[in-house]
Amino acid sequence: DGGITQSPKYLFRKEGQNVTLSCEQNLNHDAMYWYRQDPGQGLRLIYYSQIVNDFQKGDIAEGYSVSREKKESFPLTVTSAQKNPTAFYLCATSPGTTGWNQPQHFGDGTRLSIL
Amino acid sequence: AQTVTQSQPEMSVQEAETVTLSCTYDTSESDYYLFWYKQPPSRQMILVIRQEAYKQQNATENRFSVNFQKAAKSFSLKISDSQLGDAAMYFCAYRSAFAGNQFYFGTGTSLTVIP
Repeated sequence: DGGITQSPKYLFRKEGQNVTLSCEQNLNHDAMYWYRQDPGQGLRLIYYSQIVNDFQKGDIAEGYSVSREKKESFPLTVTSAQKNPTAFYLCATSPGTTGWNQPQHFGDGTRLSIL
Repeated sequence: AQTVTQSQPEMSVQEAETVTLSCTYDTSESDYYLFWYKQPPSRQMILVIRQEAYKQQNATENRFSVNFQKAAKSFSLKISDSQLGDAAMYFCAYRSAFAGNQFYFGTGTSLTVIP
């Protein structure tokens, strides 16, 4: 089945610790995205990548880092500089410039909490 | 950057009745794509319906339809014969047809369906 796999489903971070959220896709989509969702709020863009080895900051990139070494993978690291990391994190993909009218596809999300 | 506004944080509807969720957007572009996503309590993001700005005909998908008013920059979602399973957060999203791969989301409307 084609899809997006986010892992883990739940993640706990200790003070001063970096944690990495995984996002893998087999849809052969060029573009990948990370969003943060706080309770009762919309989606805020953290980072997005249009092609391998390239990514751009979104609206709330501070305290986060990403890499895009493979088309299929776009991991998000929440660093210790992110002082309020507790949130629900969604990974998404889209076909990119080959499919302007196509929607984003989403993973099932990772819930991150501070211990 | 484009902005998407959903002015109704919460809405409720009686089961089997019809409800309309509002969405407005701000853009100077002539061609773009609009989407409605549903996020049930499971937090999974599900595409409900899409509209291409150059198409005058309003999109429909079973019980879901849109009222697309390009001049007014309005994109409302109508849910007919509401069902208990329609209870969810609904997000409106915008994507440019010309530049970049970024999607812009509204803050969402929480829909309650009353039995």
